[in-house]
Amino acid sequence: EPEVTQTPSHQVTQMGQEVILRCVPISNHLYFYWYRQILGQKVEFLVSFYNNEISEKSEIFDDQFSVERPDGSNFTLKIRSTKLEDSAMYFCASNAMGRGGDEQYFGPGTRLTVT
Amino acid sequence: QKEVEQNSGPLSVPEGAIASLNCTYSDRGSQSFFWYRQYSGKSPELIMFIYSNGDKEDGRFTAQLNKASQYVSLLIRDSQPSDSATYLCAVIGTDSWGKFQFGAGTQVVVTP
Repeated sequence: EPEVTQTPSHQVTQMGQEVILRCVPISNHLYFYWYRQILGQKVEFLVSFYNNEISEKSEIFDDQFSVERPDGSNFTLKIRSTKLEDSAMYFCASNAMGRGGDEQYFGPGTRLTVT
Repeated sequence: QKEVEQNSGPLSVPEGAIASLNCTYSDRGSQSFFWYRQYSGKSPELIMFIYSNGDKEDGRFTAQLNKASQYVSLLIRDSQPSDSATYLCAVIGTDSWGKFQFGAGTQVVVTP
């Protein structure tokens, strides 16, 4: 069964450093998402992406964040200058339709720890 | 601020019993509703989705939607210890292109 994959599973970085989280969505999916979950808190939407453009982003997704689809399979989230409060689990998700009528499939997540 | 609310639990359910989970949402125009299961330290795993008022059954799970009351629920029949997890309600609102608004989740503990 196709699945979303994410690398690395755990990333430790120092405050102020740049990190890139990688995702490989399900191959026939066209809509991609990033969510984050701070320990003990709810899953929060960051950004959605379709046709090489951001479709929607939340207030969390400020200038420190960017997304890219550098090739036909990868979807990346970059945090330019990490802060302590960026420590969280980051989930990538994808679906085939994107518009309210299709379920999203989540990757296993990357645990980001900023020290 | 559009909200999705769930009781945090824990909801303790004897093995073999029915677990009943509730979710309310504030965006009256929401059209799509999803239930995910999340084990500790893992990613959300889709259980089922519902778009129309009424009941939808899938195996041991039944989702119920009442748009007039802005309420969606999940029933788990014949609960098993493996059902012990946090159950997340997710809603896509009227002005959104696929953005999930999640509730905080209800922790379910199935006791043998």
